Amino acid sequence: SAVISQKPSRDICQRGTSLTIQCQVDSQVTMMFWYRQQPGQSLTLIATANQGSEATYESGFVIDKFPISRPNLTFSTLTVSNMSPEDSSIYLCSARTGGDTEAFFGQGTRLTVV
Amino acid sequence: GENVEQHPSTLSVQEGDSAVIKCTYSDSASNYFPWYKQELGKRPQLIIDIRSNVGEKKDQRIAVTLNKTAKHFSLHITETQPEDSAVYFCAYRGSQGNLIFGKGTKLSVKP
Repeated sequence: SAVISQKPSRDICQRGTSLTIQCQVDSQVTMMFWYRQQPGQSLTLIATANQGSEATYESGFVIDKFPISRPNLTFSTLTVSNMSPEDSSIYLCSARTGGDTEAFFGQGTRLTVV
Repeated sequence: GENVEQHPSTLSVQEGDSAVIKCTYSDSASNYFPWYKQELGKRPQLIIDIRSNVGEKKDQRIAVTLNKTAKHFSLHITETQPEDSAVYFCAYRGSQGNLIFGKGTKLSVKP
């Protein structure tokens, strides 16, 4: 199974600023994803991080707000830009190898925007 | 669109009783159905998964059943223990390779 390290684990940020979250996997993975989880709710997919090309965003999420990088097969970043209190949430990265393999999650980043 | 309905949203059982959580999905092409357990403040952890070539899978006190015709799958936990208390999410793999999650079931096991 893959081990995913995500940082920071939590942060408190001023509105209008940006935060970059990093996700490092201990082995090469085919697919990486970024999810958002509001308190007490389910996981919502933000985007699929594609290696070597632009991320694929879900409806309601845009690149200007959530730019994503994936420079190689083990690393990805998600930036939350121009933050507002509505962006306060837990952000989780996930990864899996190809085929019907299971997906693993990072420990999450708890973001509070004040 | 791709979605999955999960019931119940909360479930309270007595220690030693069984717990059953049910999900219904929309994408008939999906072949992979995992269940995740999430304890408060922690990441989701895979507890069991099933692929569409089987109808049932069991791992100690946990079992999952799948009915592809009806697009239903269920999680069964027997002999529940207080440490089973958590939020459980069903999911299925969507057409883009990502997981689509249910809304979750908060399970409380009372000693």
